[in-house]
This record gives sequence, structure tokens and C-alpha cells, in this order.
Amino acid sequence: DTGVSQNPRHKITKRGQNVTFRCDPISEHNRLYWYRQTLGQGPEFLTYFQNEAQLEKSRLLSDRFSAERPKGSFSTLEIQRTEQGDSAMYLCASSLAGGPSTGELFFGEGSRLTVL
Amino acid sequence: GENVEQHPSTLSVQEGDSAVIKCTYSDSASNYFPWYKQELGKRPQLIIDIRSNVGEKKDQRIAVTLNKTAKHFSLHITETQPEDSAVYFCAAIAAGNKLTFGGGTRVLVKP
Repeated sequence: DTGVSQNPRHKITKRGQNVTFRCDPISEHNRLYWYRQTLGQGPEFLTYFQNEAQLEKSRLLSDRFSAERPKGSFSTLEIQRTEQGDSAMYLCASSLAGGPSTGELFFGEGSRLTVL
Repeated sequence: GENVEQHPSTLSVQEGDSAVIKCTYSDSASNYFPWYKQELGKRPQLIIDIRSNVGEKKDQRIAVTLNKTAKHFSLHITETQPEDSAVYFCAAIAAGNKLTFGGGTRVLVKP
């Protein structure tokens, strides 16, 4: 499968624990995005990278969230000191260098986080 | 920033009838408007898109219209089939950076 790959697909954790999600984008895609989706809602933008550079973070993003893309390939999203409100599906997406308006934004299957 | 509103939140139609979903956006600089379909437990997938220099685009049973003056765009599905049942999301983008999504419309096609 040469699509966007995310793991783990499902993570259950206790409040206060740290979790990390990994995203492997389509190999030739320079842009990588993280979105969060709660039940019944549309995907909410978190952050995006152009190669290894993090170009934008949502103002709504808590400082407990950090994302990296160290070599411009895969990316990780870490959530520290998880809270129950962090429970959601975390979606990764990738596109060509010009962004979604120049080429389709492809989504991964998502990583579902459940915080108990 | 961009704000996208989507209506209705749920839509139930009889198989063979048409379905229409409407979205409005706030940023007049937005120039690209895709629609995504998300089946239960699956990833969102692009089904059609439209750019700001076009007023209408059609692909088989689906079509999208755009009114830049009014800042709204719509998805039209004709001759609906059970496999059209899913959640549909509209989105808008300005300056080529990030997509802002609407809240979604759950479409149920009744056989």
C-alpha cells in the first residue's frame, strides 16, 4: 500500500500519560498535515510541515501537543499529559509541495485516541 | 482565519432522489473548494473539487456549484444509490496552505 500510513490505529491510555503517533506520508509528498476529528465533526487543522519545516500551528493547539518531521519524511505527533478531552481521531494527510490546491490531499486511516 | 459552515447536518433521501449539501465560507481569498466523502471507519476521500475560476463542475452523478459573490458552494448528488450513504465534508483553502473543513453532512440513502 503506497498511501498514507498511520500507527498505532488505536491507542487507549490513562489520563496524564504521554502518547505518540506516527505518520508515513506518500513518498513524493512534501507537505504533511495533522488534523483532529471528533465524533460527528469535520477534521480540525492542527499543524503542517513543508519537508522538515513546521510552517503553521493552530492557535487552538495546546502546548502539550508537539509534532516533528525530522528528516522530511515521516512525522510524529506527541501529546503529553493527556486529558479526556484529547480523545479523538488524529488524522494525518499529505500532498504535493504546493499544498492541497495544487494536488489532492490524501488522508491516512487515522489514529484513534481514547483517554480514560 | 477561514470559517466554513455546512448544512444540513443530516440528510435522508429515497434511493434515486437527489441530495444537495450547501456550504458557506468566510474568507473571500479562498480559491479551492474540495468535497470529501468519509464512510464509517474509513479515511476521508476526495470526490470532487472546484476552483474559484469555475462556476460549476460535474463528474457523472455528482456536481459542485460555486457562487463566489455570495461565498457559498454546493454539492449535488443525482440518482442516489445506497453506496452514497456516508458523511460528506466540504472544505475551503486560501493561499494554498491548509484546508478548513465544514462540520459534515451525514447522508442516508434509503432503499
